Amino acid sequence: EVQLVESGGGLVKPGGSLRLSCAASGFSFSSYSMNWVRQAPGKGLEWVSFISSSSSLIYYADSVRGRFTISRDNAKNSLYLQMNNLRAEDTAFYYCARDQDSGRYYWFDPWGQGTLVTVSS
Amino acid sequence: DIVMTQSPDSLAVSLGERATINCKSSQSVLYSSNNKNFLSWYQQKPGQPPKLLIYWASTRESGVPDRFSGSGSGTDFTLTISNLQAEDVAVYYCQQYYTSPRTFGQGTKVEIK
Repeated sequence: EVQLVESGGGLVKPGGSLRLSCAASGFSFSSYSMNWVRQAPGKGLEWVSFISSSSSLIYYADSVRGRFTISRDNAKNSLYLQMNNLRAEDTAFYYCARDQDSGRYYWFDPWGQGTLVTVSS
Repeated sequence: DIVMTQSPDSLAVSLGERATINCKSSQSVLYSSNNKNFLSWYQQKPGQPPKLLIYWASTRESGVPDRFSGSGSGTDFTLTISNLQAEDVAVYYCQQYYTSPRTFGQGTKVEIK
């Protein structure tokens, strides 16, 4: 069974940092591009970042570029999101989501259950 | 960025009836080289992550009931839920993958009348 399990969320003060992790299983992780997508409580979906299978292509949403860093460790079947200089508007559920190819981006499937990041003083 | 606009924001439909959700993109998501529309649909039930329903605008994901169907091309798309069931209560999102950043519609909430 394909599974994605996020961890690392929590409460952090504005300006603080947090590192999210996503553990993948049930598929050949190194063959797929991966993403982070977030959803503020009660709001819609916002794509955050993309990384290709070999980490050669990386994209960010304008809202996080320069503050967030996506990375992966194919040997550990893991995806990461380092979040620095966090703002209140970064408060959201963060989902790890698989892409459909090793390079180009397509639809998101499957999604993890999400981890909640709350930025508040 | 391509802006995706869904209508309506919410709708209430009787059990067994049809629900129709529209999605409009600010520019065409039809890729001329392969004649495919780079558009997908998701269902999100309360407390759950989104679930893929449809991709390439009209291809149903494996395991998705055939009462869910997608149509449209270019800039105008529709998700139809025929014979609405109680378990279809959810928020539905369209999403374009024609260009980065990939963007979603604001969501349409489907309830039972």
